[in-house]
Amino acid sequence: GIQVEQSPPDLILQEGANSTLRCNFSDSVNNLQWFHQNPWGQLINLFYIPSGTKQNGRLSATTVATERYSLLYISSSQTTDSGVYFCAVEGGGSNYKLTFGKGTLLTVNP
Amino acid sequence: ETGVTQSPTHLIKTRGQQVTLRCSSQSGHNTVSWYQQALGQGPQFIFQYYREEENGRGNFPPRFSGLQFPNYSSELNVNALELDDSALYLCASSLAGTDTQYFGPGTRLTVL
Repeated sequence: GIQVEQSPPDLILQEGANSTLRCNFSDSVNNLQWFHQNPWGQLINLFYIPSGTKQNGRLSATTVATERYSLLYISSSQTTDSGVYFCAVEGGGSNYKLTFGKGTLLTVNP
Repeated sequence: ETGVTQSPTHLIKTRGQQVTLRCSSQSGHNTVSWYQQALGQGPQFIFQYYREEENGRGNFPPRFSGLQFPNYSSELNVNALELDDSALYLCASSLAGTDTQYFGPGTRLTVL
């Protein structure tokens, strides 16, 4: 099946700093989503971005499908940005399930 | 808020027991997927239901089973619980033909 690798596994920032999270995947995809998981376990949709670039406030994402990677940018980070960020893809011949990476644990200190 | 609800929020069972978890999909969504998330890991796909039939299954044994009802709500049943079944169980709904999945808040199952 398709493999998803996220980096870095852990990231610690001071409030106000910028960060880039990376997601590499091993096959072509028809769905790529970025999620933020809050401390209570809720997965919050950030972006649906199988290709191209999108922006939503301080967050933006870029997926280069031909090179099989996606980037999530967080600018001017806030303590509320803390949590685990997951990249999940659908593809590699499987058109019904999301395959998740192991996530990036982001800690933003005040 | 995604509009996807799950019950119960937390559950404690003992080894060998059976459990049923419930999910109500977002209004208008006809596809429900279930995922298991062990501590420190990403969610793992269990199965998906569309029009009351299983539409795909991950690498989980047959003691994990499910149902989807005419109103698109769904149940996940796990028989003969094992300690390793302790996890957060997430339900996601989507509209067939679209790709975006929306997740519920999860049910945290502890098996003692």
